[in-house]
Amino acid sequence: GAVVSQHPSWVICKSGTSVKIECRSLDFQATTMFWYRQFPKQSLMLMATSNEGSKATYEQGVEKDKFLINHASLTLSTLTVTSAHPEDSSFYICSARELRGTGRMNTEAFFGQGTRLTVV
Amino acid sequence: LAKTTQPISMDSYEGQEVNITCSHNNIATNDYITWYQQFPSQGPRFIIQGYKTKVTNEVASLFIPADRKSSTLSLPRVSLSDTAVYYCLVGDTGRRALTFGSGTRLQVQP
Repeated sequence: GAVVSQHPSWVICKSGTSVKIECRSLDFQATTMFWYRQFPKQSLMLMATSNEGSKATYEQGVEKDKFLINHASLTLSTLTVTSAHPEDSSFYICSARELRGTGRMNTEAFFGQGTRLTVV
Repeated sequence: LAKTTQPISMDSYEGQEVNITCSHNNIATNDYITWYQQFPSQGPRFIIQGYKTKVTNEVASLFIPADRKSSTLSLPRVSLSDTAVYYCLVGDTGRRALTFGSGTRLQVQP
């Protein structure tokens, strides 16, 4: 089946620094990828939709200048947490749906393994 | 987007059949019903998907009544490794993201 790979799996950084998380679709093209954030014991919350070759669409309450998203190719999207603070510590997960030739998405979404970010 | 409602938690014992029901009263005609499983510190994993009636694969069955306002995930003979959070999602084949509800935390005991 299709695979979405996230890197790194975990990262610890100091307050004020920036962290980049990569999301790759390994065996399919993804014009659209999605970034989620998950706090302990809670569900996944959509942060933004990453569109290849254009600006990302952010959900209400998500700061676009803090969470920079770049979707430079059909297989790679990156999320950069800028000037990270302890409250940004969370589990970040990306997702992608395979684009079929008809222009419609496959009904199944594939998720990366997630990135555990800890800001100290 | 159709909202889903699931029990917050369920308990079971090894070898039992577990049925998790999800309600989605305002499901749209184009929406599919998909269930995902998530273990701690991992991304969600696809379990099963259906549109209507019954779907079965090697790990689960999905029962969807004719009105499609609810669905039931059935896990036969659960084991300790089935302890996880199970999410019921409703969505179409468009470009929108999947919206996660609260999920059901299944605890399987020996």
